[in-house]
Amino acid sequence: GDSVTQMEGPVTLSEEAFLTINCTYTATGYPSLFWYVQYPGEGLQLLLKATKADDKGSNKGFEATYRKETTSFHLEKGSVQVSDSAVYFCALSASYSGAGSYQLTFGKGTKLSVIP
Amino acid sequence: DSGVTQTPKHLITATGQRVTLRCSPRSGDLSVYWYQQSLDQGLQFLIQYYNGEERAKGNILERFSAQQFPDLHSELNLSSLELGDSALYFCASSVRDGKGTYEQYFGPGTRLTVT
Repeated sequence: GDSVTQMEGPVTLSEEAFLTINCTYTATGYPSLFWYVQYPGEGLQLLLKATKADDKGSNKGFEATYRKETTSFHLEKGSVQVSDSAVYFCALSASYSGAGSYQLTFGKGTKLSVIP
Repeated sequence: DSGVTQTPKHLITATGQRVTLRCSPRSGDLSVYWYQQSLDQGLQFLIQYYNGEERAKGNILERFSAQQFPDLHSELNLSSLELGDSALYFCASSVRDGKGTYEQYFGPGTRLTVT
C-alpha cells in the first residue's frame, strides 16, 4: 500500500536557520503530494502541495519540489522564525480504484521548535 | 479558520460507552473524511462519505460507524469504547481546485478521552 516516510523529530533550530524536513513516499500511480502544518492545539492546515513531477509548491517562504525519480518531497525554508514552531506532516493522496476517493496517507510528523 | 466545524471539542467518557462526534463541512463541499490521530498510530484515515454515500473505508474498527446526512453534516459513532480509542478525531472536507487536485480542509478536531 501507499506510505510516507519523513524524518524523525524533534528538530530544534535557531531563528533564521535553514530548514529541511525530508519526506519520501511509496505509491502506485501518480499521487498528489502535500505538506500540512499543525500548530499546538489546532487542526491541520494545508501548507503547500504539488500534483505532478517537478512541480514546486510554495507558501509562506516554505517550498517543496515533487521529485518522481527519488520519490521525494522535501520541505525547505531559508530562514525560520519562532512562529514556524509546529508539527509538519507530509502526505500523499491518490485516487483509489477509480472510486473517486482521495484519502490522505500521512507521515508520522516532524516537530519543529525554533528558538530565538 | 478552515470553515470546517466539529463538535464537541473535548469529550471524556468511560470504557464501554458510546459517543457521537459531529462534523459540518465547508459550504459546498460534498466529501467528508474522518481521521484519527493517536500517539502510537499517527494520523490514520477512517472513512469517507460523498454526498450522503460511503465512498471509502480505511482502518476503521467495526465498533465505529459514520453517516452523512442530507444537509451534508456527518457524524462518527464510536461504541464499546476502549482506553485505546482515546485520540484526536479530525474531519476534513474536500474541494477540487482549478487544476483538478482535491484539497482537504481540516476541522479543529474532537479530543476523546476514554477513562
